[in-house]
Amino acid sequence: LAKTTQPISMDSYEGQEVNITCSHNNIATNDYITWYQQFPSQGPRFIIQGYKTKVTNEVASLFIPADRKSSTLSLPRVSLSDTAVYYCLVGARTGSARQLTFGSGTQLTVLP
Amino acid sequence: DTAVSQTPKYLVTQMGNDKSIKCEQNLGHDTMYWYKQDSKKFLKIMFSYNNKELIINETVPNRFSPKSPDKAHLNLHINSLELGDSAVYFCASSQDVNMPNTEAFFGQGTRLTVV
Repeated sequence: LAKTTQPISMDSYEGQEVNITCSHNNIATNDYITWYQQFPSQGPRFIIQGYKTKVTNEVASLFIPADRKSSTLSLPRVSLSDTAVYYCLVGARTGSARQLTFGSGTQLTVLP
Repeated sequence: DTAVSQTPKYLVTQMGNDKSIKCEQNLGHDTMYWYKQDSKKFLKIMFSYNNKELIINETVPNRFSPKSPDKAHLNLHINSLELGDSAVYFCASSQDVNMPNTEAFFGQGTRLTVV
């Protein structure tokens, strides 16, 4: 099963760019890398997904090196409302089934 | 119109009781999941159902049993509740668990407190 490792916590200030890196050494060939955001008392929410190189949407960018053993979520110009837990997720196969396995998450705190 | 809804949002009950948490999705997804999030925020998968078949069953106590009356519902039944069962339980769904780029949609969670 693909296992992910992320920093437990990060602090940043408003307006800064934040980069959160996730390690996933056992990622499978067909697996995508997905990042979720979770606010207190809410369920996780999809923010971005990628397979290789770089993906960008209106919320974030995702950088994936050629070996795909890690990925970096980049949040441009964070605001206080970006304070949340960010999970790196890699689909893992168990037999013929896929398991959506969450990592421990990174608590991002944005300070004024 | 909520995509994944679960009820109740809060559940307080005594040890030894049996309780159920309901989950419904209106996204037409084939797969539904139950996750448990403990006080340390670790999000662990408990079950997943694909087309009414249990395809993953993590090492959870057999006091926990998922019930899927149809593709849009996956309820969680818990027997003989214990203090350690206190957590937030999340229901989720995705289009096809065997597609590599599947995205999961989560409900708002049910905070279970066993006293």
